[in-house]
Amino acid sequence: DGGITQSPKYLFRKEGQNVTLSCEQNLNHDAMYWYRQDPGQGLRLIYYSQIVNDFQKGDIAEGYSVSREKKESFPLTVTSAQKNPTAFYLCASSPEGGQPQHFGDGTRLSIL
Amino acid sequence: AQSVSQHNHHVILSEAASLELGCNYSYGGTVNLFWYVQYPGQHLQLLLKYFSGDPLVKGIKGFEAEFIKSKFSFNLRKPSVQWSDTAEYFCAVRTGGFKTIFGAGTRLFVKA
Repeated sequence: DGGITQSPKYLFRKEGQNVTLSCEQNLNHDAMYWYRQDPGQGLRLIYYSQIVNDFQKGDIAEGYSVSREKKESFPLTVTSAQKNPTAFYLCASSPEGGQPQHFGDGTRLSIL
Repeated sequence: AQSVSQHNHHVILSEAASLELGCNYSYGGTVNLFWYVQYPGQHLQLLLKYFSGDPLVKGIKGFEAEFIKSKFSFNLRKPSVQWSDTAEYFCAVRTGGFKTIFGAGTRLFVKA
């Protein structure tokens, strides 16, 4: 079945460490997105990518970085510069920007 | 700033009651509108969408939504809810390009 796979499901980080969240899709979608979900705040856009080797900052990009070297992969790195990284992270993809997005199951990141 | 407002954060209904979840957005141009649903333990999935044409759109599981341009609203309705409709519902608005803005979500609990 086609879909989006996020790993790991749970991730723990020590203060000062960078961690990378994986997102892979086999839907052949051009666009991919990373969101952060906090209670009562909905989904906030971190980064998005329209095509391979191109990505744009979203509303809350500070402390995060991404790469898009392959169409099917869009990893997110939470750097030590992100002061409040504890959250639920969702990856999504769509055939193009205006179409509905397909979501992964998410990664819950916690700070030790 | 562009924003999406969902009026109710928590809604509790008995089975067979009617449901209406409010969604308003702030943007004066052309929009694409979405409602997504997240059932317990599942990933976010599309419930229905509006791009153009008939402002009353029907989605899965008996849900419908009405786009009222003059009120910048896209309210979600269902005549008779079931216990299985217990979920979190997100309104989303695409204002142009690849950016989609999500509301904070409404948690619906349906009592059997």
